[in-house]
Amino acid sequence: AAGVIQSPRHLIKEKRETATLKCYPIPRHDTVYWYQQGPGQDPQFLISFYEKMQSDKGSIPDRFSAQQFSDYHSELNMSSLELGDSALYFCASSPSDSLGEQFFGPGTRLTVL
Amino acid sequence: QKEVEQDPGPLSVPEGAIVSLNCTYSNSAFQYFMWYRQYSRKGPELLMYTYSSGNKEDGRFTAQVDKSSKYISLFIRDSQPSDSATYLCAMSPYTGGFKTIFGAGTRLFVKA
Repeated sequence: AAGVIQSPRHLIKEKRETATLKCYPIPRHDTVYWYQQGPGQDPQFLISFYEKMQSDKGSIPDRFSAQQFSDYHSELNMSSLELGDSALYFCASSPSDSLGEQFFGPGTRLTVL
Repeated sequence: QKEVEQDPGPLSVPEGAIVSLNCTYSNSAFQYFMWYRQYSRKGPELLMYTYSSGNKEDGRFTAQVDKSSKYISLFIRDSQPSDSATYLCAMSPYTGGFKTIFGAGTRLFVKA
């Protein structure tokens, strides 16, 4: 079965640089979520989108922005990167009629040097 | 106090044991309750999800939700070494946004 695809899988950036993470949801899933997971931490909800509109917002820094496109893929843009932004970033998707079924992608490991 | 509390463990059991994992929560608005399994450096894998109260069984896994006590459980029967992982509970209110809160995760070790 198709799964959530994230790219890139690994990313190394310098402080103050910009990064863009991409997420391709499972086909026919119209809801996308972004999470940040630090070492030894639980996933922290950042933001979600339903039908290309932002539907909820969590602890996402103002330096981050995200959007969902017409083909339902989503991008997380991170600017002025800080050392503390180093983490695993997960995207998850779900169908809107079964919001409890969030399926996670493999994650993007971001390292900020 | 966190909205979702989960004992981080570690929990070590012999192969074949019944494992009981649980979480408590404080937000009475939570309606969706999920359990995920996460292996090191991998994405969380959805094991079970329940809407509102009740029990749900899937193979060796049983999820229970007691909204009156704000307490959820995951039982694993006939545990296997391959079940060794971190188990995360997650929950969300039934809103248009679906902000999801995770527990800290319980590390489980199943010894052969």
